Amino acid sequence: DTGVSQDPRHKITKRGQNVTFRCDPISEHNRLYWYRQTLGQGPEFLTYFQNEAQLEKSRLLSDRFSAERPKGSFSTLEIQRTEQGDSAMYLCAGGGPGEQYFGPGTRLTVT
Amino acid sequence: AQSVTQLGSHVSVSEGALVLLRCNYSSSVPPYLFWYVQYPNQGLQLLLKYTSAATLVKGINDFEAEFKKSETSFHLTKPSAHMSDAAEYFCAVWGFGNEKLTFGTGTRLTIIP
Repeated sequence: DTGVSQDPRHKITKRGQNVTFRCDPISEHNRLYWYRQTLGQGPEFLTYFQNEAQLEKSRLLSDRFSAERPKGSFSTLEIQRTEQGDSAMYLCAGGGPGEQYFGPGTRLTVT
Repeated sequence: AQSVTQLGSHVSVSEGALVLLRCNYSSSVPPYLFWYVQYPNQGLQLLLKYTSAATLVKGINDFEAEFKKSETSFHLTKPSAHMSDAAEYFCAVWGFGNEKLTFGTGTRLTIIP
């Protein structure tokens, strides 16, 4: 157990709906990362925070995606107007430079 | 830029046999290298990591990996496979200045009883 938790673990939604996921790292993790993993692939970087500052966003993160880490603790990832192509496992990781500990992930299914 | 290539998307070994999962990396800066394991519908668990100290790195559950700069490789081995080792394994590279992990496409390990 890495101490990183994610909620919900599974989400089924209809195309066009908005969804929000939450990640709670342990208090020592000043960095927080979001990755997306589709079936048969490795995780792909989406974005990361150093404390509350969002320092980098991947081009995979379209305008429909937004992430926040308001107090430098937990983080949320919102997807607006979901599409079937958004179906994936969304992984959160906490840690420091060169070291990341992953949560259990949120599996999103868009029908 | 950095990248990882995992040779063999599927590997099958008999229980008790040697496990060898291959990973080659590309990085413009000295890399940190990682192996993670993923069980179905779960997150990634860190097996071991190389951070420029000893080139032979030991991890959990008797896994180990050797960093070979001349071959740009970081292959994962285990002397004797156990049924519980059946899972997906991911190699990843971190480069300072590119502050994120870049993963390979994974190798699914099957253990034959």
